[in-house]
Amino acid sequence: AQSVTQPDARVTVSEGASLQLRCKYSYSGTPYLFWYVQYPRQGLQLLLKYYSGDPVVQGVNGFEAEFSKSNSSFHLRKASVHWSDSAVYFCVLSLSSGSWQLIFGSGTQLTVMP
Amino acid sequence: EAAVTQSPRNKVAVTGGKVTLSCNQTNNHNNMYWYRQDTGHGLRLIHYSYGAGSTEKGDIPDGYKASRPSQENFSLILELATPSQTSVYFCASGDDHEQYFGPGTRLTVL
Repeated sequence: AQSVTQPDARVTVSEGASLQLRCKYSYSGTPYLFWYVQYPRQGLQLLLKYYSGDPVVQGVNGFEAEFSKSNSSFHLRKASVHWSDSAVYFCVLSLSSGSWQLIFGSGTQLTVMP
Repeated sequence: EAAVTQSPRNKVAVTGGKVTLSCNQTNNHNNMYWYRQDTGHGLRLIHYSYGAGSTEKGDIPDGYKASRPSQENFSLILELATPSQTSVYFCASGDDHEQYFGPGTRLTVL
């Protein structure tokens, strides 16, 4: 069965430090992968998406992610975080057929310390 | 201008009461979705729709009904609300792999 695992429920980093949030997926078909961000008391906003091609995809606000088929991973990175990046980040898998149902990871709460 | 809106944004209901959550989208998307979000979980799919008049069960449909009277509107209905349905509910629209989310409705069932 398809699934998404985010192994780190909480991550704390200092402002200006680099960041990696981990994501592993399980799906036998062609994966369509997303990272969404949720700020407090708000809906979800798309950070970036991977459909095919270059395994490194760029997103908004300096975020990027790297797809690895061999590792079944889609890790999110940022070179230098800002306090405003504090939020919950979701790794999401879209199935390649049917209803385009989204499968969500459990989320990683990122806290950026000033 | 927000493309997916939800009402109400907050709701307190009593056990056994009927609750209707509404969603409106101006994206002209055929597909619409209802999710719930609980602590420690990502979003889980309750119902979805391919277009006006259609509703389909998602992963956790028990205790919920859905209604899609038009392209723009998609409602989630709790006929007999229970405390276990206390959660934050998100509506989304989309016509391919990417979905656009509303701001959420916080429902508390006492």
